[in-house]
Amino acid sequence: DAKTTQPTSMDCAEGRAANLPCNHSTISGNEYVYWYRQIHSQGPQYIIHGLKNNETNEMASLIITEDRKSSTLILPHATLRDTAVYYCIVFRRGAGSGNTGKLIFGQGTTLQVKP
Amino acid sequence: DAGVIQSPRHEVTEMGQEVTLRCKPISGHNSLFWYRQTMMRGLELLIYFNNNVPIDDSGMPEDRFSAKMPNASFSTLKIQPSEPRDSAVYFCASSFTTGAKSYEQYFGPGTRLTVT
Repeated sequence: DAKTTQPTSMDCAEGRAANLPCNHSTISGNEYVYWYRQIHSQGPQYIIHGLKNNETNEMASLIITEDRKSSTLILPHATLRDTAVYYCIVFRRGAGSGNTGKLIFGQGTTLQVKP
Repeated sequence: DAGVIQSPRHEVTEMGQEVTLRCKPISGHNSLFWYRQTMMRGLELLIYFNNNVPIDDSGMPEDRFSAKMPNASFSTLKIQPSEPRDSAVYFCASSFTTGAKSYEQYFGPGTRLTVT
């Protein structure tokens, strides 16, 4: 699975949009971009995923560049409860020898939402 | 849905003792994953099952660790004998996987293991 690069930490003011970048320059055509987060002392939580197109759900938006080498997770109105470590993961969903079902977590970005 | 259920939530044991961690996946999910998280190594996959069969156990640290999934609704991770370096938070996750696709993994609350 492709390696991802994320900033170690970021701050965001409560009520403002949090934009978390991720670089995945070696991503291959059949790999999806997944985002998970881990709030302190809890298990990781799925947020959103995408392949090529931008995606939005009730938690966040995912913007993927046209060349797919980077993406941005957007939390439109961050709250204190969004303080967490955010993981960007590239993951091969399809069948075949490369589909191991394995999520490989890096160090993620620690997002601190401040009042 | 109750989500992924893990027990116990906390376990403190002495070195050399056997430890058994338990997991009940989300009903209808057919893949189950065991992860370990430490400050030094982060989140790492230990083993995963698909349709109750172990698919990849390359992350299992050594023979002291074993995992079973006797049926679709229950899995155990056993450490025998336990050592202080096994102290970590152990997460279980489940997902639905078809022949064509793997879907999102949902994690349990974890078991915090302390080996003294």
